[in-house]
Amino acid sequence: KAGVTQTPRYLIKTRGQQVTLSCSPISGHRSVSWYQQTPGQGLQFLFEYFSETQRNKGNFPGRFSGRQFSNSRSEMNVSTLELGDSALYLCASSLADRSGKEYFGPGTRLTVT
Amino acid sequence: DQQVKQNSPSLSVQEGRISILNCDYTNSMFDYFLWYKKYPAEGPTFLISISSIKDKNEDGRFTVFLNKSAKHLSLHIVPSQPGDSAVYFCAASGWNYGGSQGNLIFGKGTKLSVKP
Repeated sequence: KAGVTQTPRYLIKTRGQQVTLSCSPISGHRSVSWYQQTPGQGLQFLFEYFSETQRNKGNFPGRFSGRQFSNSRSEMNVSTLELGDSALYLCASSLADRSGKEYFGPGTRLTVT
Repeated sequence: DQQVKQNSPSLSVQEGRISILNCDYTNSMFDYFLWYKKYPAEGPTFLISISSIKDKNEDGRFTVFLNKSAKHLSLHIVPSQPGDSAVYFCAASGWNYGGSQGNLIFGKGTKLSVKP
């Protein structure tokens, strides 16, 4: 099976702009989660989607949003970008079983200037 | 408040010796504990996990130990190899956490360097 794919891999944006990141989960996985990784904070959970519904949300401002399509593909959007939004954004898919095991994509490196 | 803590940011070990990575947690509701390995410019890769009802799980060179009374788990790598050099993240998941499928709560990672 193909793994989790994320596009684009690298992105440079200017403060105040908005950005959309895309994630395609492993075939058959209905749950998609997004995480932000920064050097100081490690991996922090943004939100999780299951069957097109946001099921869980982390402690991030409303500028961060997401959605999931009927084919389980997911997008996350960040509006009014701030310098502190520079990070590696990771998408993970899972079978949503009790093990908690998630499979991560390679990430999108976002740089805000 | 950090629910999952990895207090050692880095660890250096000689090839062939044992690597021990430690992780502490605060929430007794966690069901599963997982270890992920991460190389630069790649996403984390699942390594091994353990259910909260067990105290040990082994997979080849990797063994995870869970001490529920101390809320502590550790990952042992024996023997360590240079290819094991990476950042290791401890993560926890709780089915009832937040009333739904538990999402992973990660520690901040430990950078392991295995020297030849």
